[in-house]
Amino acid sequence: GQQLNQSPQSMFIQEGEDVSMNCTSSSIFNTWLWYKQEPGEGPVLLIALYKAGELTSNGRLTAQFGITRKDSFLNISASIPSDVGIYFCATTGSSSNTGKLIFGQGTTLQVKP
Amino acid sequence: NAGVTQTPKFRILKIGQSMTLQCTQDMNHNYMYWYRQDPGMGLKLIYYSVGAGITDKGEVPNGYNVSRSTTEDFPLRLELAAPSQTSVYFCASSYEPYGSPLHFGNGTRLTVT
Repeated sequence: GQQLNQSPQSMFIQEGEDVSMNCTSSSIFNTWLWYKQEPGEGPVLLIALYKAGELTSNGRLTAQFGITRKDSFLNISASIPSDVGIYFCATTGSSSNTGKLIFGQGTTLQVKP
Repeated sequence: NAGVTQTPKFRILKIGQSMTLQCTQDMNHNYMYWYRQDPGMGLKLIYYSVGAGITDKGEVPNGYNVSRSTTEDFPLRLELAAPSQTSVYFCASSYEPYGSPLHFGNGTRLTVT
């Protein structure tokens, strides 16, 4: 089946550093979504991308829909302690009419004050 | 506005017991989903529903059942609990299948011993 490969698996960084993570697949997708999950809570949508090459920002977060439609990147600038959590990439795959999402394995981010 | 509410938050089951994980949403969303989250594995879709009276299998449906008698409620049933069903379960809903974010509940942590 369709699979998303997310990297890195985990990151431990100093407050103020920039963060980059990415998601790749062997399949072509029409949507890339980035979610953040904080401890004890469900994932929350950060950024949605619907067009190849699209670059979208949400505060200190910037995400890009890869031009090949097989990958996406999420960058966090000037990290702060509240950025801690698990970041997931996701896509609707070939089933966009049902809303089913395929998730990557997640990138766990820890920020040292 | 409560959003998506899941109960219970935690549960310990013995092998072979049964239970129902409750999920209700007050946003009048037609689309609802059950995911399970295992460490390092991302979220896997168990079952989903595109409207009251309609349900379908996701990626990992074995050992589970669902029903959707109303728009608001989407309970997940485990008939014969097994250790492999130890996981965190998330219910989610969305207004439309494409271009609309998933709203997640805060999860149910289930341990089967």
